[in-house]
Amino acid sequence: SQQGEEDPQALSIQEGENATMNCSYKTSINNLQWYRQNSGRGLVHLILIRSNEREKHSGRLRVTLDTSKKSSSLLITASRAADTASYFCATAAGTASKLTFGTGTRLQVTL
Amino acid sequence: SAVISQKPSRDICQRGTSLTIQCQVDSQVTMMFWYRQQPGQSLTLIATANQGSEATYESGFVIDKFPISRPNLTFSTLTVSNMSPEDSSIYLCSAGQGSEAFFGQGTRLTVV
Repeated sequence: SQQGEEDPQALSIQEGENATMNCSYKTSINNLQWYRQNSGRGLVHLILIRSNEREKHSGRLRVTLDTSKKSSSLLITASRAADTASYFCATAAGTASKLTFGTGTRLQVTL
Repeated sequence: SAVISQKPSRDICQRGTSLTIQCQVDSQVTMMFWYRQQPGQSLTLIATANQGSEATYESGFVIDKFPISRPNLTFSTLTVSNMSPEDSSIYLCSAGQGSEAFFGQGTRLTVV
């Protein structure tokens, strides 16, 4: 069963705008990871945030984690058409790289 | 990061047949996993591929349907047995390196 719920399910923005995706999960975690998937192919690892971290940055990405609310957010700043993809959060509880995935957000960035 | 090669990248198979998917990692990894992504859905873990022992299956997945091999620390196979159209999905191999998990490009399987 899916552990995480993501919202929105779909998001459409214009190039240059920021995109925010949210993820909620149900149980205690060791870490939370965000992935991008283009056109139903393989997943690209974007960023990992550990349970004792609150915020992390990587280029145009900013991830926050609130373990008290069991939620995370992914912010993509200054979006580009190439950012069009599905984005998934995934949590690891016991085994660090054994993941439970959220439902995903489909992001469409238009010119 | 680990580079994962998966093949075939796609296949169209007849119902009742079996398909074996191969996953090769460019470095030795402790953990390898197989996931299924049904059309329009998220990823669901099928099993953990254990080196030198039987795979550990998640609820709803059984060895007879999804036999897995892992002969060494860089290679694993997943077989989808006695296929039906409901098995049409993307199957993804994952390798764990530390806390991070990396994925292959997936195998898009269509059963007709």
